[in-house]
Amino acid sequence: QKEVEQNSGPLSVPEGAIASLNCTYSDRGSQSFFWYRQYSGKSPELIMFIYSNGDKEDGRFTAQLNKASQYVSLLIRDSQPSDSATYLCASNLIRGGFKTIFGAGTRLFVKA
Amino acid sequence: EPEVTQTPSHQVTQMGQEVILRCVPISNHLYFYWYRQILGQKVEFLVSFYNNEISEKSEIFDDQFSVERPDGSNFTLKIRSTKLEDSAMYFCASSADNTGELFFGEGSRLTVL
Repeated sequence: QKEVEQNSGPLSVPEGAIASLNCTYSDRGSQSFFWYRQYSGKSPELIMFIYSNGDKEDGRFTAQLNKASQYVSLLIRDSQPSDSATYLCASNLIRGGFKTIFGAGTRLFVKA
Repeated sequence: EPEVTQTPSHQVTQMGQEVILRCVPISNHLYFYWYRQILGQKVEFLVSFYNNEISEKSEIFDDQFSVERPDGSNFTLKIRSTKLEDSAMYFCASSADNTGELFFGEGSRLTVL
């Protein structure tokens, strides 16, 4: 069973639109959730984290968490061509030891 | 801005050879990780490390892999006898706590021939 699942995409949106990225996780013990951005050939870069149910906003980004549904989402408002990248959802699990597990990522294309 | 640095950026090796990948985490971070990403595939967890001990390891992290923090600044990943399928980008990451806010290095690309 995959621990973090994402639609691989690609998701294509026009410039200025809202991009909506989704993720589900299987382990109810997961405690914190993250969105990383990965440009082609580069390392992942943290853009948002969320620990509590509800919404969290940071600039053009809004992360949403629903622990009952085991669902995490990321909204990108006013999408720009520079947002074109792969977005990785990740969950952190602390159970004795600790680990952060990544989904396979959703490729986003923002068309100018 | 503090950053995680990794060396080498690219290493080519023959199958069966030993490889050591090096990482210098952010200086005040205490939690360290290695991940691998095969070309076109997902970022896969290998191991987490804290207080000079492995905290968690994945099923990928078998006996051919080991990690070490030899001198209080470097964090190394050793692959004892490389296989063709070990060819991948290896990312080191560090964090100030164990909540998962990871800072990644630029990666070391390993090519096994």
